[in-house]
Amino acid sequence: AQSVTQPDIHITVSEGASLELRCNYSYGATPYLFWYVQSPGQGLQLLLKYFSGDTLVQGIKGFEAEFKRSQSSFNLRKPSVHWSDAAEYFCAVDGGSQGNLIFGKGTKLSVKP
Amino acid sequence: DSGVTQTPKHLITATGQRVTLRCSPRSGDLSVYWYQQSLDQGLQFLIQYYNGEERAKGNILERFSAQQFPDLHSELNLSSLELGDSALYFCASSVGWVGYQETQYFGPGTRLLVL
Repeated sequence: AQSVTQPDIHITVSEGASLELRCNYSYGATPYLFWYVQSPGQGLQLLLKYFSGDTLVQGIKGFEAEFKRSQSSFNLRKPSVHWSDAAEYFCAVDGGSQGNLIFGKGTKLSVKP
Repeated sequence: DSGVTQTPKHLITATGQRVTLRCSPRSGDLSVYWYQQSLDQGLQFLIQYYNGEERAKGNILERFSAQQFPDLHSELNLSSLELGDSALYFCASSVGWVGYQETQYFGPGTRLLVL
């Protein structure tokens, strides 16, 4: 069965520092992968997605993610974090014929001034 | 703003009651998905409709039901509510359905509190 693991429950970084959020997936075929962000009390906003092609994908708000098939990973990165990036980040994989997204448990990002 | 709307934003009710959550998809989207987000279970898929027909079912309880109407809006009905049903309920929509390089866009959610 497909699954998504986000090993870090909570990460704290200083404003201006770089960020990497980890995501590992388990999927038999070529996965379609997504990163969503949820600000407190808000819905889920799509940051970026990977369907095929270039394994480095660019998203909104200066985020990027790299698909590494050999490591079954789709890590999210940002070179310089802003205080407004504090939120919870969810990695998801397309469940294929199940017709739904399978989400990781999320990583909560705190930003220190 | 994703273009997906959900009403109401907040709902407080008592155990044993029934509530209806409403979702309007983005213009042009035919698929509607319902998800439940709780602290212990995380984000769980409940059910999907495509152009009025149920297409996929996830961990949806028998006390819960949904439908998609001809104008493509969807309603999620939760009955015989229990304390454990307190959660954030999200609706998402897409043009087709995932598995075909589709992207789901999420609404702001309905926060349900069962007392």
